[in-house]
Amino acid sequence: KQEVTQIPAALSVPEGENLVLNCSFTDSAIYNLQWFRQDPGKGLTSLLLIQSSQREQTSGRLNASLDKSSGRSTLYIAASQPGDSATYLCAVRPGAGSYQLTFGKGTKLSVIP
Amino acid sequence: EAGVAQSPRYKIIEKRQSVAFWCNPISGHATLYWYQQILGQGPKLLIQFQNNGVVDDSQLPKDRFSAERLKGVDSTLKIQPAKLEDSAVYLCASSLDLGTGWREDYGYTFGSGTRLTVV
Repeated sequence: KQEVTQIPAALSVPEGENLVLNCSFTDSAIYNLQWFRQDPGKGLTSLLLIQSSQREQTSGRLNASLDKSSGRSTLYIAASQPGDSATYLCAVRPGAGSYQLTFGKGTKLSVIP
Repeated sequence: EAGVAQSPRYKIIEKRQSVAFWCNPISGHATLYWYQQILGQGPKLLIQFQNNGVVDDSQLPKDRFSAERLKGVDSTLKIQPAKLEDSAVYLCASSLDLGTGWREDYGYTFGSGTRLTVV
């Protein structure tokens, strides 16, 4: 059974700092991995998706990497802003024929002005 | 484009009562998902529809939960009778087409969810 772990559970940083969120998964046989953002009382917003054949994806100040063999992904946020404050979730999709995602519990990020 | 609509936003019921949630996906999205997110945890898939057919309901507690998607558009999720452990946020999501796979530009679009409190 796939298990996804996110460390740390919560993180507080001053504005402008670069930061890294970690995600690990127990079964390396994944189809892809996706990072989401969740604001309080809101649904999930997709940030980045990495296919199993890819090593990283970038969007603006966000960069996600994937090391499938070691079961790890990182989300790098450059020059953090107060508006980045949210919970960040990673989710893995097991295979091309399965659409059931397994989510981690998330990292709650607070960026202090 | 309009997002995934869900209602109600909040619901408080007593245990053993019944409750229903409604979801309207993005127009044209064939695939619809219901997820349960317990406080402090990641979402867990309850059921997945392709048009009006069920693709995966392996994690749906069928003794008390039911879901339907009539005419392949709107969907309702029902709990009867509710238990205290059903307190959670129920998220609905839709995606363009099961067959296209998961692409960053398609992907899932989530609704804002319904927060259920069972007392």
